[in-house]
Amino acid sequence: RKEVEQDPGPFNVPEGATVAFNCTYSNSASQSFFWYRQDCRKEPKLLMSVYSSGNEDGRFTAQLNRASQYISLLIRDSKLSDSATYLCVVAPGGGSYIPTFGRGTSLIVHP
Amino acid sequence: EAQVTQNPRYLITVTGKKLTVTCSQNMNHEYMSWYRQDPGLGLRQIYYSMNVEVTDKGDVPEGYKVSRKEKRNFPLILESPSPNQTSLYFCASSLRGATDTQYFGPGTRLTVL
Repeated sequence: RKEVEQDPGPFNVPEGATVAFNCTYSNSASQSFFWYRQDCRKEPKLLMSVYSSGNEDGRFTAQLNRASQYISLLIRDSKLSDSATYLCVVAPGGGSYIPTFGRGTSLIVHP
Repeated sequence: EAQVTQNPRYLITVTGKKLTVTCSQNMNHEYMSWYRQDPGLGLRQIYYSMNVEVTDKGDVPEGYKVSRKEKRNFPLILESPSPNQTSLYFCASSLRGATDTQYFGPGTRLTVL
């Protein structure tokens, strides 16, 4: 199975900054895309699904570019509480039932 | 409260001593899976189950067994643990499959000496 690639970071930004992460995937048959957040070796939790038309949830915006096979996450007005690891997840099509997780991008928001 | 539970949360054991990590979900989800997370490698799926009595291998199934006798439970069995199975393990469930949101348990930190 093919990979999902993320820049591990860390991205070190001040409060209030805008930060963006990208995630590339190589399986063009992939069907579903997600961003999960993981705090310090705790369980991952869904941040948002990523839709073809792009979607926004408060300060968070997710985009999908199928032609270039990447998804992105934009965080505006960063808060200290946004410090975490952000996992990109790609769920396949074609009869496969195994989602692929990226290794995560670490974000550190400092005062 | 909708949740996935795992037990134990922490376990230190010795090579070769059989162990079972339990996983239970109360959301009537069909799809359940086990992952291990190791530094620098991300989450890798061990086994998954599409429904009762239906299980299949994930990316790293060697050394593990699972069973799905009831919809809510999906235990992970290590028949003869080895030190390379020292890891952080997560159970997860979703409504129907990999294309749905995964809900994770709190994790089990396993150390095999």
